[in-house]
Parts: sequence; C-alpha cells; structure tokens
Amino acid sequence: GESVGLHLPTLSVQEGDNSIINCAYSNSASDYFIWYKQESGKGPQFIIDIRSNMDKRQGQRVTVLLNKTVKHLSLQIAATQPGDSAVYFCAENTWDDKIIFGKGTRLHILP
Amino acid sequence: KAGVTQTPRYLIKTRGQQVTLSCSPISGHRSVSWYQQTPGQGLQFLFEYFSETQRNKGNFPGRFSGRQFSNSRSEMNVSTLELGDSALYLCASSSTGGDSEREKLFFGSGTQLSVL
Repeated sequence: GESVGLHLPTLSVQEGDNSIINCAYSNSASDYFIWYKQESGKGPQFIIDIRSNMDKRQGQRVTVLLNKTVKHLSLQIAATQPGDSAVYFCAENTWDDKIIFGKGTRLHILP
Repeated sequence: KAGVTQTPRYLIKTRGQQVTLSCSPISGHRSVSWYQQTPGQGLQFLFEYFSETQRNKGNFPGRFSGRQFSNSRSEMNVSTLELGDSALYLCASSSTGGDSEREKLFFGSGTQLSVL
C-alpha cells in the first residue's frame, strides 16, 4: 500500500500568506523526495526535490524541509498567490526504485 | 521540446471490454511510467518501462499490462474492464542522464477512462 501520506486533505490560506503543506512517509530507506503540483485538468508538475542527505532545499518561493528522524517532509510556499491553487503531492523514491505518491493536499487561496 | 503526449484524452468503455492507451514521452527520454489516479486512492504506480523492458511493477492485477517500443513510445492495455477501472491514467517520462534526472518525472495530461 501507500507509504507516503499527507496530514491534511485541504488547506485554505489567505493570499499573500505563507503556506505549509506537510507529508509523512514510512519508508526510512527512501533516499529521494519530490513535491508535485497538479492543477485541474493537467498532470502533476515537478516543483522541487530533496535527497536524504539534505534537510532543506530552496527554490523560487518554495522550500522543502526533510526531517528524517520523524520521517516528515514539508513544502513551504512563500507569499501564496492565486496561481498556487492546486493539489500538492509528495512522493518518495523507495528502496526498490518506485516513485510512490501520497494522496495529496488541495490548497485553496482565499482573497 | 514537446511535452509528454497521451492519447486519447477521454475514453468511455463498457464492462468487459478492453482498452489501449498511448503515451509519447519527451524526445530523448527512455523511461516511461504509468500511474492510475482516482479520488479515493490518489496516484497509484502501475509500471515503468525502460528501453522496451519492464523495469518495475506496482500491485495491479494481470489485466493491466504495458509495453514500450523502440522509439520509447509506450502503450498500456486493460483487459476485461471493471467499473473500478474508471480513473485518470497518467503517463510520465524521465531521462537517462544519471540518477537525479531519471527520477524527475514529467507527466502528460492523462487519459480519463470511464467504464460504464
């Protein structure tokens, strides 16, 4: 079954605020983690990734944090914009080289 | 570069029929993965093909099969369709340039399959 899960199915954030989307994984042997964004009618789109030898990685307006001790992954989006409305998935590369996805969090942006 | 192309975009079938979905990866990408997406189960890994060989497989029954051609294009087939097979089927490709590039998946927009 799924080894990657999300804490919240839906998250509502005021436009301009920061968003934090959380993810828990169960496979301690996973060595690579990815966040994807899926907009309506489209396939998932790569946002940012992180390897298990790192605990933080920053991109443009996005930061991924990895806590291997508690097997927790988070995606932070700074200054959330209407275009950030989407479903966000975390994914892990498992020991047998499968990319396994969590169930996703829908991010709503409030005006 | 053109993105991952999946055809058809929509399909309606009845129980017991079979269906074939097609995926053209990004030019130069040799790995193609297939996922099933449903509201209840999220994205479930079906299988991955690399250089015409199935490299990995998820936990789906044998009714789900796939193949990859020498030009890296891939097809997946579902036989004896069931109502529960209704889903968005997503194809993703990745390049072969080392571990990090291989793992970064580029998705198509999917084929929405409805089984009546």
